[in-house]
Amino acid sequence: AQSVTQLGSHVSVSEGALVLLRCNYSSSVPPYLFWYVQYPNQGLQLLLKYTTGATLVKGINGFEAEFKKSETSFHLTKPSAHMSDAAEYFCAVKQAGNQFYFGTGTSLTVIP
Amino acid sequence: ETGVTQTPRHLVMGMTNKKSLKCEQHLGHNAMYWYKQSAKKPLELMFVYNFKEQTENNSVPSRFSPECPNSSHLFLHLHTLQPEDSALYLCASSQELSWGSYNEQFFGPGTRLTVL
Repeated sequence: AQSVTQLGSHVSVSEGALVLLRCNYSSSVPPYLFWYVQYPNQGLQLLLKYTTGATLVKGINGFEAEFKKSETSFHLTKPSAHMSDAAEYFCAVKQAGNQFYFGTGTSLTVIP
Repeated sequence: ETGVTQTPRHLVMGMTNKKSLKCEQHLGHNAMYWYKQSAKKPLELMFVYNFKEQTENNSVPSRFSPECPNSSHLFLHLHTLQPEDSALYLCASSQELSWGSYNEQFFGPGTRLTVL
């Protein structure tokens, strides 16, 4: 079975600072990889995804993530945090079939 | 309406009540999902419907009963729930091929369920 590990259930950054949210997965076969964001009282919204090709993926709201096969990682970054980035972030993996495996989430706080 | 909608957004029920959650997707997708989201736990996949057929049931208690009358609608019928069933219930949809796909899932806003 797949597993997804998000290091740090809570991350705080200052406004304008670098955002780094970590995600590692366990898989013998490179999976498809996703980052979702959840704002309060809302469902999950796709930020970006990696399927094949270029390992650096750009998403919405200035976020990007890099697939590193050797490290089985898919960390999410943003060069400069904005107050509106405060939310819960979920990493997910998918292989054959429909099923997604989600991490436990990382709550991002942006300090003014 | 666009995307994935869920009603009601909030529900409070007693342990002896019977209620239903409704999900509707306006994206033309062929697969729909129910997830349970509890604090401090990963999203738990409950049920999957692919081409209106239930393809997964992840050991969900029988007090939860799904129904998928067509590819656009999904229901979750609830009866004799327990307080530990209180959570956010999320519906999602995606477009799948027979072999699966790398397509993302689109989520509704969820129903916040409280069982007293």
